[in-house]
Formats: sequence, C-alpha cells, structure tokens
Amino acid sequence: DTGVSQNPRHKITKRGQNVTFRCDPISEHNRLYWYRQTLGQGPEFLTYFQNEAQLEKSRLLSDRFSAERPKGSFSTLEIQRTEQGDSAMYLCASSSIPDDYNSPLHFGNGTRLTVT
Amino acid sequence: AQSVTQPDIHITVSEGASLELRCNYSYGATPYLFWYVQSPGQGLQLLLKYFSGDTLVQGIKGFEAEFKRSQSSFNLRKPSVHWSDAAEYFCAVGDNYGQNFVFGPGTRLSVLP
Repeated sequence: DTGVSQNPRHKITKRGQNVTFRCDPISEHNRLYWYRQTLGQGPEFLTYFQNEAQLEKSRLLSDRFSAERPKGSFSTLEIQRTEQGDSAMYLCASSSIPDDYNSPLHFGNGTRLTVT
Repeated sequence: AQSVTQPDIHITVSEGASLELRCNYSYGATPYLFWYVQSPGQGLQLLLKYFSGDTLVQGIKGFEAEFKRSQSSFNLRKPSVHWSDAAEYFCAVGDNYGQNFVFGPGTRLSVLP
C-alpha cells in the first residue's frame, strides 16, 4: 500500500492559464474522489468516479473544471481559464467497495493551487 | 443530503489534559461516521470510523469516539493530549452507499506545553 499520490504538490499559475493535476489512487481501490479545501474550511466534494465512470459532480464544478479517469486507475483534474477564486488545496481520495457498501476515504497530500 | 456541524472552531488545551471535540450530524438513515486529522500542508488521515455495532469506537493515537443516535452526535475524545496532537480535526458523515461524504468545517486544536 503506497498510499494516494498527488502531483504536483504546489502549483502557481497566472489568472487565465490552464492547469492539470494528477492523482494516483491506492492500486486496488475502484472509487476515486476529488475535493477542494480552502483555508479554514473542511473539504468540499467536487466529483467522484467508480472505476472509469464519473458518477457524480458537485455544483461547485463549473464548466471550467473537468476530471477524467480514462482507464479506471489514475485521474486528472483540469481547470481551464483559472481565476483567483480557484486558489485552494485540491485533495484526491480513494476507497474500495466492501460488502457493507461503505469504506473510509484515503487521502493524498493534496495539490495546493495559487492563482496570481 | 447529510450535513455536519462542528461547533468549536478552535480549542486550546494543556498537554496532559483531556480533550473532547464535538460533532453533530444530520442524516435521514443510519449514518457512517468518521473522524480525520490534518496537519498543516498535509492530507487527511483517518482516526476512526463508526459503521454499526458498539457505539464506542477506538481509533489510532489513543482517540475514541462515541455515537449517540438520540443526540445526533459523534464526539471525539482523548484522555491525555500530547503536543503532537495539535492539528485540524474533521468530522465526516457518509451515506449508505459509500458514495457521498460530507465534512464538517473542522476544529483546530492547539496544545499548550
């Protein structure tokens, strides 16, 4: 178990630029989540995959945001035309599907985005 | 949809003192409840979880939590706090299908020497 890996750890970009983050979940986990966390707040749900299917998206996920998980393994989160309000920590988490339909989330260390 | 409140934004305790962090949830069915801890600049680490059974659950680092259905609460406790426990603590509730996890706003714990 190598844990959930996120790259890069930090990203500084200018307003209007596109950015892409990558998440590698724990290898046997079939569920993958993206959350956004701003300073002093709890994580807010963005989107969720089960294998390669994107099953749910939050209203927070505007049309500038897109997430993919093409082969059911790693996932990417892209933000187009970044705005200063996009500055946050982007957290990825993964879990498996046990018999009781629930399993805790295992988080990566996040990607901190700063939009200048 | 479920929701979580953590009434205390910031708590300060002395090292060696006992600790209780409050969490209240709202969910129409039996909740799946979690406590996570986050150190600065890091991701969240699971402390403990409650799915069913014994309402007093034990976690890592000497933490425990008690599920009280009548009070819709899942408070986190530790009998003796260590300086290394200083961090942000998040309570979370999951739905019955393991698809939707909602986090509270967090409680920041400071520990005095």
